[in-house]
Amino acid sequence: RKEVEQDPGPFNVPEGATVAFNCTYSNSASQSFFWYRQDCRKEPKLLMSVYSSGNEDGRFTAQLNRASQYISLLIRDSKLSDSATYLCVVYKAAGNKLTFGGGTRVLVKP
Amino acid sequence: DAEITQSPRHKITETGRQVTLACHQTWNHNNMFWYRQDLGHGLRLIHYSYGVHDTNKGEVSDGYSVSRSNTEDLPLTLESAASSQTSVYFCASSESPWQGENYEQYFGPGTRLTVT
Repeated sequence: RKEVEQDPGPFNVPEGATVAFNCTYSNSASQSFFWYRQDCRKEPKLLMSVYSSGNEDGRFTAQLNRASQYISLLIRDSKLSDSATYLCVVYKAAGNKLTFGGGTRVLVKP
Repeated sequence: DAEITQSPRHKITETGRQVTLACHQTWNHNNMFWYRQDLGHGLRLIHYSYGVHDTNKGEVSDGYSVSRSNTEDLPLTLESAASSQTSVYFCASSESPWQGENYEQYFGPGTRLTVT
């Protein structure tokens, strides 16, 4: 089983709609969680950290469920520019490294 | 502005040749990382360094080596290129120490390597 798993998609989303997707992680010792965004053939960039209490950044909302070992990302009022691959990233102190999921592809269409 | 650059951006080489991919950052970060990205596998860590003269193996280090002689550079060498090493390679850097939820890795633009 992969340490961090994501539905690869694609999630086809009408412009203006809401889309949500999850990421599951297998190591309960994982400490911190992040969502990175990657545009086609470009480098990943940090979208947002995921706080234990959940957090919002504009149209983006991230949630963490430690009991069920998953994090989620919700995008409201989707824009064409939100089309990208969203990478779930997990950090645990043992090893002091980030582990990346395979990514969820989102396509926002007019 | 601080940045992280990689060269070359595209490389085609033959099986068995030695190849070196360059990574240079002007963030003055102690931590530097090399990843490869393949369909179905996401980003996988090859090697990483927490400072000058420090290097560590990641999960897919076989056939690769790195050396860190200064803060700015972490070149990745493929000792004898194999077709299985055809991939996109990303270099990244970060501050240390670990900053919990404020932690961020900054990625270079990537190098697309094809081994024929």
